Amino acid sequence: EDKVVQSPLSLVVHEGDTVTLNCSYEVTNFRSLLWYKQEKKAPTFLFMLTSSGIEKKSGRLSSILDKKELFSILNITATQTGDSAIYLCAVDVYGNKLVFGAGTILRVKS
Amino acid sequence: SAVISQKPSRDICQRGTSLTIQCQVDSQVTMMFWYRQQPGQSLTLIATANQGSEATYESGFVIDKFPISRPNLTFSTLTVSNMSPEDSSIYLCSVWTNEKLFFGSGTQLSVL
Repeated sequence: EDKVVQSPLSLVVHEGDTVTLNCSYEVTNFRSLLWYKQEKKAPTFLFMLTSSGIEKKSGRLSSILDKKELFSILNITATQTGDSAIYLCAVDVYGNKLVFGAGTILRVKS
Repeated sequence: SAVISQKPSRDICQRGTSLTIQCQVDSQVTMMFWYRQQPGQSLTLIATANQGSEATYESGFVIDKFPISRPNLTFSTLTVSNMSPEDSSIYLCSVWTNEKLFFGSGTQLSVL
């Protein structure tokens, strides 16, 4: 059974802190790994990773994939209260089917 | 990215009734995907809607409970039938564009 596991389940940090969110996976067929930010209802796309060792970066957010060890991390530097959200990791396993992890709830305190 | 409009945004329904959720995309797409997110849970794929053929349902989801229509390449509906409190969830439609999955605005459903 395809499985995506995220850790930690939740964390609380102060503004300005750096956080690292983890995503590990065990799937039968890997096509890509995607990160999303969910603030209310609709997840918004952050990154898509397909190759090991290549960092994707957007502002204070960055992500990297390790296909050998089957995991990815999402880093957020200089956190702001607006970063408070659920961060979802998902793996595209077959025919555009995504398997999602349970998510990490991030709360940034001012 | 695709612009995906979904409605209603939220609804409160009585058990035993049905609700139809509409999803409109600003471009033609072959497949549309319907996800469910139960409270405190992650997203689970309900079914894939193809234009011109029956939807493909994931394990644990059946057509009688979640009938789907796909009349053209920009529109789809998902009906949640004979609702019970366990159907209280966020329902999301989504499409792939440029190898990325984009989501509609979501429907927050509460069943009393």
